[in-house]
Amino acid sequence: DAGITQSPRYKITETGRQVTLMCHQTWSHSYMFWYRQDLGHGLRLIYYSAAADITDKGEVPDGYVVSRSKTENFPLTLESATRSQTSVYFCASSGDRVPYEQYFGPGTRLTVT
Amino acid sequence: AQSVTQLDSQVPVFEEAPVELRCNYSSSVSVYLFWYVQYPNQGLQLLLKYLSGSTLVESINGFEAEFNKSQTSFHLRKPSVHISDTAEYFCAVINPFPSGGSNYKLTFGKGTLLTVNP
Repeated sequence: DAGITQSPRYKITETGRQVTLMCHQTWSHSYMFWYRQDLGHGLRLIYYSAAADITDKGEVPDGYVVSRSKTENFPLTLESATRSQTSVYFCASSGDRVPYEQYFGPGTRLTVT
Repeated sequence: AQSVTQLDSQVPVFEEAPVELRCNYSSSVSVYLFWYVQYPNQGLQLLLKYLSGSTLVESINGFEAEFNKSQTSFHLRKPSVHISDTAEYFCAVINPFPSGGSNYKLTFGKGTLLTVNP
């Protein structure tokens, strides 16, 4: 299917475990973003990428790692999950022609126990 | 740097009543402004945007927002709401011409939950 997809949609993991959230887009957008959504905080940027192999930190990067070996994929890894990382994670992308207009995936609800 | 303040975290209204969701922003540069809508258990969808030109922008489902530069506001309005408008609404801004090491990063407000009651 065309668009931007995230997997899994729901994930429960234990403290200390490594978990990877996947994001895939079919538009060949250059820009990709990871946000987390928490009650009372709105959406906060974790990491972003301007192109394959180019990534940079956002507002709340601690405890997260990203990679972008292919334009269409932008996985987010929690190296050692903590309860404070329980959240809903959204991936977004935007294209070169309209880089300021971001399209969002459906989200992944992550619970760390 | 930019910041966005959504003045109301929750707005309950009755069906067919008018509604206004308030958004103020702060920025040292000119910005583009957006309203996103998030229906329950879904991702964010772009509702409308102000880039330049007419300060009043409209969506296809009856919402409108007015950019007011002097008051640094971008309030969202609808003259008559429906039950299906129940959702969380996010105001966001972006610097469309980032320089140096910057990038196209949206800054979001904390959201306003609009609940439309019958």
